[in-house]
Amino acid sequence: DIQMTQSPSSLSASVGDRVTITCRASQSISKFLNWYQQRPGKAPKLLTTSASTLQNGVPSRFSGRGSGTDFTLTISSLQPEDFATYYCQQSYTTPITFGQGTRLEIK
Amino acid sequence: EVQLLESGGGLVQPGGSLRLSCVASGFSFGSYDMGWVRQAPGKGLEWVSGISNTGIHTYYTDSVKGRFTISRDNSKNTIYLQMNSLRVEDTAVYYCAKDAPRSDGYFYFDYWGRGTLVTVSS
Repeated sequence: DIQMTQSPSSLSASVGDRVTITCRASQSISKFLNWYQQRPGKAPKLLTTSASTLQNGVPSRFSGRGSGTDFTLTISSLQPEDFATYYCQQSYTTPITFGQGTRLEIK
Repeated sequence: EVQLLESGGGLVQPGGSLRLSCVASGFSFGSYDMGWVRQAPGKGLEWVSGISNTGIHTYYTDSVKGRFTISRDNSKNTIYLQMNSLRVEDTAVYYCAKDAPRSDGYFYFDYWGRGTLVTVSS
């Protein structure tokens, strides 16, 4: 199985900050990498696909990059609604696997 | 508007069975693969199973192979997850999710239900 490792596991930041979350795959997954946001008590929301394609309706302050084994999700200027948990997910092969999550908290 | 509504969760003893259902609306159900993703209390997301749009192809994570069975009825816009030989570690919220439009690769999910809680405990 492909292991997905996110860093950091948690992060404290302030409104307006720029933050970057990293996701590393245990083997190359080309660009088959997706990011989700999950707010407490809610279902996940798909943010980006194919490493860098923003889903319709997702603010442009979110951006994804990477290929192969190393990927990032950047939020350019944090807004209050961005404080949530973020997960990466590989869709290169089954079993589909998620990272362990990065909890983004208000400083 | 796409809607996914799960049902069938509840409390079951170890070794017992449950069948989850997910009724979909708002999209051409028979054109999309579907899946189940679970989340244990306070933990991360874990993909459980997926099924192709026709139901011909099914996929499972290793920990549920031989115990869980995914199926679908396109005439009822519904997918199912039959869960047998349940274990304490299967306790989680189970989300039904719609596969996104894609030309290659495997599942990623653009719409999710609200989830149904399965608790396995004696």
